[in-house]
Amino acid sequence: EDQVTQSPEALRLQEGESSSLNCSYTVSGLRGLFWYRQDPGKGPEFLFTLYSAGEEKEKERLKATLTKKESFLHITAPKPEDSATYLCAVQAETSYDKVIFGPGTSLSVIP
Amino acid sequence: NAGVTQTPKFQVLKTGQSMTLQCAQDMNHEYMSWYRQDPGMGLRLIHYSVGAGITDQGEVPNGYNVSRSTTEDFPLRLLSAAPSQTSVYFCASSPSTSGGRDEQFFGPGTRLTVL
Repeated sequence: EDQVTQSPEALRLQEGESSSLNCSYTVSGLRGLFWYRQDPGKGPEFLFTLYSAGEEKEKERLKATLTKKESFLHITAPKPEDSATYLCAVQAETSYDKVIFGPGTSLSVIP
Repeated sequence: NAGVTQTPKFQVLKTGQSMTLQCAQDMNHEYMSWYRQDPGMGLRLIHYSVGAGITDQGEVPNGYNVSRSTTEDFPLRLLSAAPSQTSVYFCASSPSTSGGRDEQFFGPGTRLTVL
C-alpha cells in the first residue's frame, strides 16, 4: 500500500536557524513527489515537484531533495513568514491519477 | 482568473441531512479532485475526475457522490450526513490528465460540521 509519513510532526525554530523536514514514502514505483505549503484556514499551495532520485529544486529559502525512499525540505535562515504546515505527497506509477498526502509538518519560526 | 472557488465556506448539518458542496474552476483544467482534511491525517482523496463525464473513487469515497457534467464544475454530494463526515473539504484542479504530474491548485475549503 502506498504510504507517506512526515517528521517531525511539529518544529519550532528561531529566526535564522536552519533545519530540515523529512518525508518518507513507500510506493510501487514513484512517478512524482510534491511539496505543498498550507497556511492556517487556507488551501495548500504548490511548492515543488521532484521526479527522480538525486533531483533538487530551490525556491527562495527552501530546497527540496529526493532519494529513493525519502525527500527532505531544507529551510535555510528561516523567517517568521515561513511559518506554515508543509505537506508532502506522492504519485505512484501504478495509480497515477491519485495523489497520496502525508500528515504534514507544522513549522513555527520565532522572531 | 478566480482560480478554484468553493461554496459554502462554512456549513452545519444535522445527521441524516443531505447537501452539495460546490466547486468551480475557470482555468480549463481537465483534472479535478475532492479531498477531506482531518487533524493528524493529512489530505485524503475522496473522488476525482480526469474530464467531463469521467469520475472515479479515491481513498475514502463512502458516503459521497460526484458528477462532472462540465469541465468547470465538480460538485460533491453528501447523501445522508454523519458526524464522521465533519471535516474540512478541499477541491483542487490540475492541468494534467494524470492529476499530480503537474501542480494541483486548491480552493479555500469548506468547513463542515455534522451534529
